Amino acid sequence: TQLLEQSPQFLSIQEGENLTVYCNSSSVFSSLQWYRQEPGEGPVLLVTVVTGGEVKKLKRLTFQFGDARKDSSLHITAAQPGDTGLYLCAVTGGGNKLTFGTGTQLKVEL
Amino acid sequence: DAGVIQSPRHEVTEMGQEVTLRCKPISGHDYLFWYRQTMMRGLELLIYFNNNVPIDDSGMPEDRFSAKMPNASFSTLKIQPSEPRDSAVYFCASSLGRQVANYGYTFGSGTRLTVV
Repeated sequence: TQLLEQSPQFLSIQEGENLTVYCNSSSVFSSLQWYRQEPGEGPVLLVTVVTGGEVKKLKRLTFQFGDARKDSSLHITAAQPGDTGLYLCAVTGGGNKLTFGTGTQLKVEL
Repeated sequence: DAGVIQSPRHEVTEMGQEVTLRCKPISGHDYLFWYRQTMMRGLELLIYFNNNVPIDDSGMPEDRFSAKMPNASFSTLKIQPSEPRDSAVYFCASSLGRQVANYGYTFGSGTRLTVV
């Protein structure tokens, strides 16, 4: 079983639409990170959320950490083709190692 | 800093051959990680080092895989002999231990390995 389940697995939308992707677990985490991976590149950190209920905004991206610190969501407003990529959530475990979620592959078309 | 540098970017090899992947972490980072990414299994941690010492290699699939970090600026991941099921993108990442929770990892661009 996966520690972090992300949904949906795939998402294809038109430019200008809004979307939300989810990262869920049955475990409680002290913090959670979101990464974006573009084709042919490694993942790049977008944000870290630490406090239950915390909301962070990065331009058109809004990240929320669940009150119980078991889940998180990423909302994109007015998606653009540049938002295309694989979105990964990740949590730290012992020894500073990150465990990544299953990922959401987003494609934004013109 | 040029970031985490991996080489080669692409590698095509025949089954049974030895493959060596290389990584140069960011200067000053004390943790180095090797991950493998496939469509079926996503990003999987293979092994990681702290101050050049292997800490956890429980993710290494089998004895055909080995990793070394002879100094703070270089690491290798070797597969011998290689098999078609080893085909994947291999990523190296580095981090500053005390800042992982806030600043995460910096990944290289990966090596796409194809074993035919």
